[in-house]
Parts: sequence; structure tokens; C-alpha cells
Amino acid sequence: DSGVTQTPKHLITATGQRVTLRCSPRSGDLSVYWYQQSLDQGLQFLIHYYNGEERAKGNILERFSAQQFPDLHSELNLSSLELGDSALYFCASSVVLAGGTDTQYFGPGTRLTVL
Amino acid sequence: GQNIDQPTEMTATEGAIVQINCTYQTSGFNGLFWYQQHAGEAPTFLSYNVLDGLEEKGRFSSFLSRSKGYSYLLLKELQMKDSASYLCAVRDYNTDKLIFGTGTRLQVFP
Repeated sequence: DSGVTQTPKHLITATGQRVTLRCSPRSGDLSVYWYQQSLDQGLQFLIHYYNGEERAKGNILERFSAQQFPDLHSELNLSSLELGDSALYFCASSVVLAGGTDTQYFGPGTRLTVL
Repeated sequence: GQNIDQPTEMTATEGAIVQINCTYQTSGFNGLFWYQQHAGEAPTFLSYNVLDGLEEKGRFSSFLSRSKGYSYLLLKELQMKDSASYLCAVRDYNTDKLIFGTGTRLQVFP
């Protein structure tokens, strides 16, 4: 168990709809990263928040937005959904391991199916 | 630009050793990571290299050569539960984001 939580685990919706995915980082972690994993594709970085501020953006569509709240949980909002948005969405938070290595631990993911 | 290559699929026998290679081209390198991912599950952290050389962790070892843009993950004494995808990822120096390869699907047979 990475200590990163994501809800919901599964989400089925229709094209044109809007959904919100939620992530809570490990206690004390200030960073949240969002990734998308489509079928047969690698994990694609979407966006990174650190202590409430956006730090970096990947190839995130304009229909997608995210924010990190004062309690450090984060939400990823996906709107005007298309069939191609069906994917696994993971969030990760940074952990500094013994020796100073800073690595990312992933939550269990949200499987989004757009019909 | 950024590019990470690894073989799509590999097969091996229980008890054997397998080496999964990864080559990368990146404009800002700040470490190379290996993750294991079972189908439909979250990636789990296996190893991290930032300096050249071999890092050993039980049955798993990872090697890095920064001058060659090359890494490998070595799995020894393979078990059936090692059947999974193995993801090579490079951390970008400027953004800390992880850039992933498409993963190597390893099948372990009895």
C-alpha cells in the first residue's frame, strides 16, 4: 500500500459528460502528480502540483483541469468527455527515501470508461 | 526531445535470470526509475539509479550508464508472480516529471 488514495476506483460515463477524480497524497507529502495510461500506451504525465501551486504541465488537454486544495488533496476534472478519454488515471506523490532519493509512489488509479 | 525505448515483450522460465534493457534520450536527466505494474494495477517502485553503476536489491538489480543513455533491470530466480510489465522512467531535471517508456511485458513460464 503506497499510502496514496484515489476515488472512485471505477467510473463509467457518457460522451460529453464531466467527471472529477480525487487523489489524497501520503501524509506529509506536498506534491501530487497526475498521469494518464491508455490501453497499450505508456504512462503520460499530465500535471504536477506542489503545495497548492501548479509546478509543471504535460500534454494535458484544455478540457482537463486540476487543482490542489489547502489540505493537499487534488482533483482532476475532465469535461466534454470523448471515447478516447477512456483510460486509467493515476496520481502519485513524492516520497524522500532513506539516502535522500526522491521518488514517486502511485495510488491505485481510477479506471474511466466513456461510452 | 525525450525518447525511451524498451522491448515490448519478453518471456522467461521460472528460476531463470532475465535482463530488461532500456535506452533513453533526454534533454535533462535527473535519475532513472524502474517500476513493476501488474495489469490494471498501480505501478510499484522497484529501483532508482542516478549515478553510473549497479544497484542491487534482493532479486532485482538495476544498472545505469549515463554516457550511453542505457539502463537494464536484472531479475534473478524468477517466480511466476514476476509476470508483469516493467516500466523504465526518466525523471526530467527541470520539472521532476517522470517520462515513461511503454513498458516491457514479461511472461514467466513454469
